[in-house]
Amino acid sequence: QVQMVQSGDEAKKPGASVKVSCKATGYTFTTYAISWVRRAPGQGLEWMGWISADNGNIKYAQKFQGRVTLTTDASTSTSFMELRSLRSDDTAVYYCTRGRGRGTSDVWGKGTTVTVS
Amino acid sequence: QSVLTQPPSVSAAPGQKVTISCSGSSSNIGNNYVSWYQQIPGTAPILLIYDNNKRPSGIPDRFSGSKSGTSATLGITGLQTGDEADYYCGTWDSSLSGVIFGGGTKLTVL
Repeated sequence: QVQMVQSGDEAKKPGASVKVSCKATGYTFTTYAISWVRRAPGQGLEWMGWISADNGNIKYAQKFQGRVTLTTDASTSTSFMELRSLRSDDTAVYYCTRGRGRGTSDVWGKGTTVTVS
Repeated sequence: QSVLTQPPSVSAAPGQKVTISCSGSSSNIGNNYVSWYQQIPGTAPILLIYDNNKRPSGIPDRFSGSKSGTSATLGITGLQTGDEADYYCGTWDSSLSGVIFGGGTKLTVL
């Protein structure tokens, strides 16, 4: 079945960078986009951006522009999210999702906890 | 402060029905499709409703979605204790050129 398998939890110092990976299985990788969403403690869902796995087109949320980079590797069906200049308020669970279009995420990874302290 | 407005919490008894509202504007709900997600504590969100009122395979018909103008509604009938979760609406915002979510609604089944 379709799965988004994310890398393990990370602990980082303020100012550092983190790179989370997400391997897609069970479908043709290039037929969907990958969206990244996070949820900070006590907060709601927050969209960070998406990347087309077909042509590499990218859209970042304004809040993260300049601090986040999304990439894909079609040869391994893997997407990556790198967030730089980490702050304590970046502590959150980061989810990769399969984007089915029209802003919908139909399959979610289990999440990667990033703790900045 | 979320662009989409949801009530912070709703509650109802087992077996009853509940609705969760999501209010937006013409730049988001008014001209784009709405999705709904369920997040049970400690787990990842799952998609409940897409394209305003469609259910993915495996989602029971106790869950329904509707949209009117710049608002959307999630309905849940035959409430079960397992439905206790946070529920989020989401859509595309044409002004922001990005996906937006509501602030989330915590459902308690009393």
